[in-house]
Amino acid sequence: DAMVIQNPRYQVTQFGKPVTLSCSQTLNHNVMYWYQQKSSQAPKLLFHYYDKDFNNEADTPDNFQSRRPNTSFCFLDIRSPGLGDAAMYLCATSRDFREQYFGPGTRLTVT
Amino acid sequence: QKEVEQDPGPLSVPEGAIVSLNCTYSNSAFQYFMWYRQYSRKGPELLMYTYSSGNKEDGRFTAQVDKSSKYISLFIRDSQPSDSATYLCASGDTGNQFYFGTGTSLTVIP
Repeated sequence: DAMVIQNPRYQVTQFGKPVTLSCSQTLNHNVMYWYQQKSSQAPKLLFHYYDKDFNNEADTPDNFQSRRPNTSFCFLDIRSPGLGDAAMYLCATSRDFREQYFGPGTRLTVT
Repeated sequence: QKEVEQDPGPLSVPEGAIVSLNCTYSNSAFQYFMWYRQYSRKGPELLMYTYSSGNKEDGRFTAQVDKSSKYISLFIRDSQPSDSATYLCASGDTGNQFYFGTGTSLTVIP
């Protein structure tokens, strides 16, 4: 089945230790998004790629970076995680900014 | 004012009831509307996607958009315990971002 896959599903990292989250998709969608979702809150858009074009939201901290080496894969790098970065990280894809399909998420814990 | 407002609930209904979930949005340029279901500790699952005004039906689910009042609704008929989840609405224009509500927590009691 075509889908959005995220790895790992659960990630524990230490304060300040870099971490990379991974997303892959078999939908062949040209847009990929990264969202941060904290408990009982709406998903917050961090950035998105339209093909290779990277678009950063104005309030996304510099601590968060992203890479999209090809259509299928996208990575979220957190350079120096703080306690406030503990959250669910959601990857989503869409074709030309229409309906978005989400992966299962990666739950990040920072100790 | 948030772009999309949603009553967080929680909402609790008996099995078989009709559920009405609602959101309002602030930007009259929004034309795309989505409803997602999110189970605890899982990613959101797309339920309904509509463009512009009107109704869209899919099985037990009906999405309704009233652009004159900037009001979007999701109706669930014959609700089941498996419908217990958080429901997120989202809205946007032809640009690159959809705005999400904070979600309404629904429990369907057997």
